Amino acid sequence: EAGVAQSPRYKIIEKRQSVAFWCNPISGHATLYWYQQILGQGPKLLIQFQNNGVVDDSQLPKDRFSAERLKGVDSTLKIQPAKLEDSAVYLCASSLDLADTQYFGPGTRLTVL
Amino acid sequence: QKEVEQNSGPLSVPEGAIASLNCTYSDRGSQSFFWYRQYSGKSPELIMSIYSNGDKEDGRFTAQLNKASQYVSLLIRDSQPSDSATYLCAVKPRFNAGGTSYGKLTFGQGTILTVHP
Repeated sequence: EAGVAQSPRYKIIEKRQSVAFWCNPISGHATLYWYQQILGQGPKLLIQFQNNGVVDDSQLPKDRFSAERLKGVDSTLKIQPAKLEDSAVYLCASSLDLADTQYFGPGTRLTVL
Repeated sequence: QKEVEQNSGPLSVPEGAIASLNCTYSDRGSQSFFWYRQYSGKSPELIMSIYSNGDKEDGRFTAQLNKASQYVSLLIRDSQPSDSATYLCAVKPRFNAGGTSYGKLTFGQGTILTVHP
C-alpha cells in the first residue's frame, strides 16, 4: 500500500513570497491533516479535512495560510505572503476516518529567508 | 500550562537498559493516547496507542496510562542504538457533539532519546 505522498520535499523562498505544498493521502482515507512542525517542537495541527469539508481550522493563520481539498482526495496548502517564522516542516497525514490511526507523509521542509 | 508536556531531554541510556519516557496532559477528558517515534529528518511513526488505564505491552515497548494523574509513559526495554530518536507523546480529545475536534492530535514537544553502545 502506498503511503502519504508530499511534494516538494524542500523549498527555499524569500519572505513575502508565496509557496504551495501538495499532498496525496493513502487511497481511501477520508480524513486529511496538515501539521506544522517547527524545529525542536512537536507537530501542530493547522487544518483537518473530512472528505472535502473542513473539520477544524482553528489554528490556521487565515490571513496568510489557505488550504483546500477538492474532490476529497489531494490537498494543497498555500502560504501567501510567507514570513520568517513560517520556516518549518509541513507534514500531511491521513486516516481512514476521524477515529483512526494517522499516517504521516515525509513532509516538506520550508526555509524562509 | 501546555496541553501536553514532555521533558525535552536529551535522555541518554546505555544499550540494553530500560528507557523511561514520560508525558502529562491537561485535558482530563482526553480519551486516546499515542507514542510516535521520529528519527531525525523523518516523519513521525506510530509505535504505541493506549486508551484505558494500565499497561499495554508490544514487544520491547510498554505504554502506561494513569488518567487520574493525567500521566502516560513509555518504557523501552533492552534499548538499542536504533531506538535513538525523538519520542512524541500525542493526545486525542474526547469526542464532542459537533465532531470538530475528534480526530485532532495534540503533540508534546518530544523527548530526545540517545542509546549509546
